[in-house]
Amino acid sequence: GEDVEQSLFLSVREGDSSVINCTYTDSSSTYLYWYKQEPGAGLQLLTYIFSNMDMKQDQRLTVLLNKKDKHLSLRIADTQTGDSAIYFCAVPNNDMRFGAGTRLTVKP
Amino acid sequence: GAVVSQHPSWVICKSGTSVKIECRSLDFQATTMFWYRQFPKQSLMLMATSNEGSKATYEQGVEKDKFLINHASLTLSTLTVTSAHPEDSSFYICSAPTGTGWYNEQFFGPGTRLTVL
Repeated sequence: GEDVEQSLFLSVREGDSSVINCTYTDSSSTYLYWYKQEPGAGLQLLTYIFSNMDMKQDQRLTVLLNKKDKHLSLRIADTQTGDSAIYFCAVPNNDMRFGAGTRLTVKP
Repeated sequence: GAVVSQHPSWVICKSGTSVKIECRSLDFQATTMFWYRQFPKQSLMLMATSNEGSKATYEQGVEKDKFLINHASLTLSTLTVTSAHPEDSSFYICSAPTGTGWYNEQFFGPGTRLTVL
């Protein structure tokens, strides 16, 4: 089956860059996704990358995909306190497989 | 670990009928549950937040009269698709956090595949 792994915690200072990493075992999906979950709220789609791309930039967000190594990362530039949340990578196969989520804490 | 179940796992219905999907937290209480839908080969999209003992909160663009949510107990939330039409055919997934704290995990149900003929 599909395994999606993420580190559980990340703490950065406001203004720094945050990099959240995700590895997966297999994907036949056209897209790979990043979701954001703020405390007490449901998952919201943050960004996604087409599987034949290796990089996608969307304002402060940069998604990197290394298909050979099956590694997906999300970089948040100029991290703000409002970015504090749990970030899930999601790799669809026959169903949607989520990582355990990385809890990003941004300190002032 | 915590388990979230959904019933039924799949359902086929005629256009115009209503379908009820149940989401249960089996070994923990969930004051909040979330309902998502996923179209084939597309992303999971949050539909609504189900709150035990109060009205659900719907995301923009989701018709609350179309998708009725009832969170009757701390372990059960139901989603009723009323007067279903073929465009409602989708994969519906619920999730429940094990608590309200920052580090509480969120568990997903296995999903319900709805096909409206």
